[in-house]
Formats: sequence, structure tokens, C-alpha cells
Amino acid sequence: DQQVKQNSPSLSVQEGRISILNCDYTNSMFDYFLWYKKYPAEGPTFLISISSIKDKNEDGRFTVFLNKSAKHLSLHIVPSQPGDSAVYFCAASETSYDKVIFGPGTSLSVIP
Amino acid sequence: IAGITQAPTSQILAAGRRMTLRCTQDMRHNAMYWYRQDLGLGLRLIHYSNTAGTTGKGEVPDGYSVSRANTDDFPLTLASAVPSQTSVYFCASSANRGYEQFFGPGTRLTVL
Repeated sequence: DQQVKQNSPSLSVQEGRISILNCDYTNSMFDYFLWYKKYPAEGPTFLISISSIKDKNEDGRFTVFLNKSAKHLSLHIVPSQPGDSAVYFCAASETSYDKVIFGPGTSLSVIP
Repeated sequence: IAGITQAPTSQILAAGRRMTLRCTQDMRHNAMYWYRQDLGLGLRLIHYSNTAGTTGKGEVPDGYSVSRANTDDFPLTLASAVPSQTSVYFCASSANRGYEQFFGPGTRLTVL
């Protein structure tokens, strides 16, 4: 049973609009969450993280929101750019020092 | 600065053969990881090493072994490959366990 779920395998967004990628988790002990971005034929790269003591973390165009009671987090990209087209993995761990569990990924396409 | 290198880039292997995937990092990171990426399942941890001389099992360790003789190298060995081990394999490292992970470009392995 997957502990980290990304129920949308793919998402298409117009350039300039907001992209919202969703992630749900089942393990209530998770308290550290990360997003990784992956281009084809490359390894994933770290994008942004959030710990459970926060409900929002922002880095430029990227913002992650965490709702612990709903066991849900989301990544917002505003404005979306064609270069943002990639697979986005949500990941979680019980502490920042524990094993990281990855979701299946969401493929984002930003249409010019 | 290379970061993390993996070899080979891709390989086709007959079932039953032995194969070692190589991983080298030049960032002097303590922790290293091996993941496999399969469609719909995301990245799953195979084995990890918190520091040279130590290794641990991840989510899907069966059929794989690792060693960590020094800080830089973390080879993954398939003793007797089976078709279910067909996957893309990513090596990653982090300064310490749980910190941001840096990924290599991956090895695409096909077992026939």
C-alpha cells in the first residue's frame, strides 16, 4: 500500500497560469515533506521542502502548502513556464533523518 | 564538478547474469542511496548507506546487494538478474541522512 499518493498521473496547464500538484499521505508519523522535479533522462532534483511545524513554504514561484489534519500537501507554481514541464515527485519522511518515501509522480505539461 | 556519476547509462542483460551498477560521488557526502523507478510506483529505496562501512536495507532490497568501502563509491549488485528487475536505477547522495538528496542520471536496465 502506497504511503504517499499522487492521484493525478498528469496535468496540463497554460503558460502563465497556476499549476497545482496534489499529494496525499497515509502515515500520520510523516513530518517532513519534499518535492522533487525530474526531466526526462535526468535524475530528480530537489525543489522545495516543508516540515510539519509550518503550513506553508515559499521559494520564488514555488509554494508548498501542508494540511496535516487532512494528510494533504500541494505544490503551487505561479506563473507556470514551459520549462516547468517535468515529472514532480512528492516525498515524505518521519523525521528529516529518516528514509524518504516517494509518491508515483505527476507529469506536468505547461503549454506555451 | 561532476556530482554523481552512474555507469553504465543503459544495459540489456540476460536473466541469471550478474551485474554491478556503479555509482560515484565527488561531494564527500556521508549518505548514499539506491532507488529504482517504475511506472506508477515512483522511486523505491533499495539500499542505503549512512556512512562508509555501513549499509542498510530499504523498501525493496531482495535480489540486490551493496557495499560501501569508501565515501565516494556505492556499487549495486544484482547477483542473478530476473526480468522483474527491469527498471531505471538512480543513485543518490546527501550530506547526511535525510538532508536534500542529489541524484545521478540513472541507469536503464533491461533483463530479458
